[in-house]
Amino acid sequence: AQSVTQLGSHVSVSEGALVLLRCNYSSSVPPYLFWYVQYPNQGLQLLLKYTTGATLVKGINGFEAEFKKSETSFHLTKPSAHMSDAAEYFCAVSDDYKLSFGAGTTVTVRA
Amino acid sequence: KAGVTQTPRYLIKTRGQQVTLSCSPISGHRSVSWYQQTPGQGLQFLFEYFSETQRNKGNFPGRFSGRQFSNSRSEMNVSTLELGDSALYLCASSTELNEKLFFGSGTQLSVL
Repeated sequence: AQSVTQLGSHVSVSEGALVLLRCNYSSSVPPYLFWYVQYPNQGLQLLLKYTTGATLVKGINGFEAEFKKSETSFHLTKPSAHMSDAAEYFCAVSDDYKLSFGAGTTVTVRA
Repeated sequence: KAGVTQTPRYLIKTRGQQVTLSCSPISGHRSVSWYQQTPGQGLQFLFEYFSETQRNKGNFPGRFSGRQFSNSRSEMNVSTLELGDSALYLCASSTELNEKLFFGSGTQLSVL
């Protein structure tokens, strides 16, 4: 079975600072990898998806992620945090017929 | 295009009761998946339906069941509710397996 591990359950950044959320995957086959965001009292919204091809994936809201096979990582970054980025972020891997999600990282943004 | 719609938004039930949750997928999406989200266990896969057939099922007891109708709308049912069933139940639709999942806002179930 495929799985992901998110390092850090909580990240606090200042407005305008870099946002870096870490995700490592475990997969026996080339993975499909995803980042989702969940705002309070809402469902999950897809930020970006990696399947094959270009290892740097650009998503919505200024986020991007880089697939590094040698490190089995798929870290999410945003150069400049905005107050509206405060949310919970989930890394996920396609695991046969379902998505397997990480435990999530809550991001708070300080003014 | 309307998103995934889940009803009701909130539910309060007591132990032993049963509950039915509804999900209307995005128009044209034939795959509907259900996930349970709890603070302790995170997001866990319940089951997936495609063209009225359950194709895949997660590791949940038989008290959890579901179905899909010809218009792709889906329902999930939980019988003999337990306190541990309190969770946010999320429905997601997609055009096919392993494609982008579009999630609804969820149904927050509280079992007292």
